[in-house]
Amino acid sequence: EVQLVQSGAEVKKPGESLKISCKGSGYSFTSYWIGWVRQMPGKGLEWMGIIYPGDSDTRYSPSFQGQVTISADKSISTAYLQWSSLKASDTAMYYCVRHRAAAAVFDYWGQGTLVTVSS
Amino acid sequence: DIVMTQSPDSLAVSLGERATINCKSSQSVLYSSNNKNYLAWYQQKPGQPPKLLIYWASTRESGVPDRFSGSGSGTDFTLTISSLQAEDVAVYYCQQYYSTPLFTFGPGTKVDIK
Repeated sequence: EVQLVQSGAEVKKPGESLKISCKGSGYSFTSYWIGWVRQMPGKGLEWMGIIYPGDSDTRYSPSFQGQVTISADKSISTAYLQWSSLKASDTAMYYCVRHRAAAAVFDYWGQGTLVTVSS
Repeated sequence: DIVMTQSPDSLAVSLGERATINCKSSQSVLYSSNNKNYLAWYQQKPGQPPKLLIYWASTRESGVPDRFSGSGSGTDFTLTISSLQAEDVAVYYCQQYYSTPLFTFGPGTKVDIK
């Protein structure tokens, strides 16, 4: 069974750094792109970027380029999303998603990691 | 960027009745070389992550009830729930994957029971 299990909720202060994780299981982690999607409170879905764990090829949405870093450790089947300096506007639910190979849709979703940034 | 719009923002439908959601893309998502529309639909129930319902505009994901259907081509698409059930209360999003990897979602349509 394919699963994406994300790390737990975080409460941080503005200016702090953060790295959240997404562990894949039940499939070949290095053969599928993994992406991240943001959902701000009460709002819609925004695609942030994707990484191919096989070779760490990474692409970002222009809206998030330079704001976050996506990485992966294929030895432990885990993808990461990190911030170097959080802002209050980063408060949101973050989902990791697996991209199906044949059609670039998001066929499996993690349970979500709620990040709250508040002073 | 391809901009996705949806209508209506929300709708309330009686149990057993039809629900229709529209999605429009700012440019065609029909890829001429394979005649496929790069358009997907997702369902997000309260407190849950989204779930893939339909891709290639009209192909149901495995396990999705056949009361859900997708149609349309080019820039105009429709998601139809033929007979609304209580468990279908959710927000529905369309998404284009034509400009991979620059994916964009529509703003969502909330479906409630009347």
